[in-house]
Amino acid sequence: EAGVTQSPTHLIKTRGQQVTLRCSPISGHTSVYWYQQALGLGLQFLLWYDEGEERNRGNFPPRFSGRQFPNYSSELNVNALELEDSALYLCASSLSWGANTGELFFGEGSRLTVL
Amino acid sequence: GQQLNQSPQSMFIQEGEDVSMNCTSSSIFNTWLWYKQDPGEGPVLLIALYKAGELTSNGRLTAQFGITRKDSFLNISASIPSDVGIYFCAGQDSGGSNYKLTFGKGTLLTVNP
Repeated sequence: EAGVTQSPTHLIKTRGQQVTLRCSPISGHTSVYWYQQALGLGLQFLLWYDEGEERNRGNFPPRFSGRQFPNYSSELNVNALELEDSALYLCASSLSWGANTGELFFGEGSRLTVL
Repeated sequence: GQQLNQSPQSMFIQEGEDVSMNCTSSSIFNTWLWYKQDPGEGPVLLIALYKAGELTSNGRLTAQFGITRKDSFLNISASIPSDVGIYFCAGQDSGGSNYKLTFGKGTLLTVNP
């Protein structure tokens, strides 16, 4: 069974540009989560989607946004990139929140470098 | 917001030694989870705890859900080189529409062969 897949694995952007990261959840999982992991820091919660709806978002500015598609895959968009956006962006999936035991399954992440 | 204090930040041990790390929270969690992250990869779930006082083992790993529901610890016995990585604790709050996991900042474990 395929795990959570993310693309691209690495990318380099310059300040002010926009980026889109993509995530495909484990088959049967309807919830998708996005986390930011900056160097030396833990995982900071960005967004949670379930059944196509945004259910919760973390303390990030509006230029961080995303969506979930009918097949439960998801995109994370970051506009007007800043240097401090350089980080590993992790996507995770789980069963729908109603059936969720709290166990998230993570992808390998997208490493974003902003120059 | 909720905060998890994970300690120690890093550990350097010899192969064969036991390891202990813990997390404390300013608020109550309903679920505690422990993840391990290898270099260049996403975190992988090690142990999940669902009841206060619960003690659960997974091979050489043992974790406990604190009785106050505000803390948890992870022990690794007889460490081996492949135990190297970053260990994260995570707590889940009441769920429902506000569900999310809060992660600690991680414990970096180095095992010297």
